[in-house]
Amino acid sequence: GAGVSQSPSNKVTEKGKDVELRCDPISGHTALYWYRQSLGQGLEFLIYFQGNSAPDKSGLPSDRFSAERTGGSVSTLTIQRTQQEDSAVYLCASSLERGTYEQYFGPGTRLTVT
Amino acid sequence: QKEVEQDPGPLSVPEGAIVSLNCTYSNSAFQYFMWYRQYSRKGPELLMYTYSSGNKEDGRFTAQVDKSSKYISLFIRDSQPSDSATYLCAMKASKIIFGSGTRLSIRP
Repeated sequence: GAGVSQSPSNKVTEKGKDVELRCDPISGHTALYWYRQSLGQGLEFLIYFQGNSAPDKSGLPSDRFSAERTGGSVSTLTIQRTQQEDSAVYLCASSLERGTYEQYFGPGTRLTVT
Repeated sequence: QKEVEQDPGPLSVPEGAIVSLNCTYSNSAFQYFMWYRQYSRKGPELLMYTYSSGNKEDGRFTAQVDKSSKYISLFIRDSQPSDSATYLCAMKASKIIFGSGTRLSIRP
């Protein structure tokens, strides 16, 4: 079946602009995660959605970052007033439920802020 | 101190060699220990997982967990150029914490 998809695959934006990154999880997966991956920094947890529960936003680095998940499926990560330090690969993952150890990752969006 | 520490490498070995990848951790509450493999320009994919302590073998791959030392390892036997990738360890208590990844290159 179809895996996790993300769009765009690459995004170049000017400092100060807003960007939206999209994630389509695997159908039926109730849990959805956003991570940021910078060179040598591993996967930095950003936000987690589980069904209709309130999202876990504990990993968002600043109030310029926000995310929503509509209808329990597609999710959008928004970064306002982008800064150069926001340049990274943004990965989305989904899993069947919160307790599972296995997450399925999308290919990521490579964001470059100039 | 990070909860999970992993040497970023890069690690370069000749084809056919045995590869050892390692992580250390500080949180004794971790129960699930995973290894993810990430090819260039792709998302990570689960390679192996182990629950609690012990060894697990899958083909050329062996995962080991030593909870007393808070140390986990992934061994790759008869390494192939197709094994060239970044390997991330991950550990789960209430949520999953990832290591920074080790970049591995297998030379033909």
